[in-house]
Amino acid sequence: AQTVTQSQPEMSVQEAETVTLSCTYDTSENNYYLFWYKQPPSRQMILVIRQEAYKQQNATENRFSVNFQKAAKSFSLKISDSQLGDTAMYFCAFMKHGGQGQNFVFGPGTRLSVLP
Amino acid sequence: DTGVSQDPRHKITKRGQNVTFRCDPISEHNRLYWYRQTLGQGPEFLTYFQNEAQLEKSRLLSDRFSAERPKGSFSTLEIQRTEQGDSAMYLCASSLDRLYEQYFGPGTRLTVT
Repeated sequence: AQTVTQSQPEMSVQEAETVTLSCTYDTSENNYYLFWYKQPPSRQMILVIRQEAYKQQNATENRFSVNFQKAAKSFSLKISDSQLGDTAMYFCAFMKHGGQGQNFVFGPGTRLSVLP
Repeated sequence: DTGVSQDPRHKITKRGQNVTFRCDPISEHNRLYWYRQTLGQGPEFLTYFQNEAQLEKSRLLSDRFSAERPKGSFSTLEIQRTEQGDSAMYLCASSLDRLYEQYFGPGTRLTVT
């Protein structure tokens, strides 16, 4: 079974600064996908970024980028130029490529506060 | 299309009552997922459908829970004989077969008193 760990329950960052959220996972699979989702207060989950395990290049989406270390089973999210609207719970999620168990396994989340 | 919708948004029920939630996925999405999220935790997988077929169920899904997707479009999740431990946010998500990104609805918050 897959597990996802986010070791930082809460973090804060000053507006316009950069912050990195950590995620590690445990799996015996070789083909899988990793995701970061954002859940603003009282609002629905939104996809931030995804990474295919077979791609060595780290994914980027505007101010969001990941550092994917497959051997270390690490998948951290870097948010540059933090904005007040980035305040949210951030969840790291794992999904197998095929076969049984094609559902997300989520980590416990990191609550990020962006301070003015 | 405005995304995944769920109804109701909030439900308060007494212990022992049955409740049913509805999820309408994005129209062209053939995969539909149900998750449960308790306060301060990440969502936990309950079950998923590909079209009308229920392909997997989590061990979290006790026999009091049943889900359907009769025509491969909307889905319902029913909880029978609710217990206080069922209090949670129930999230629905949908995706296209090959793209894997899941799009989430706003959730149904269930409170069992």
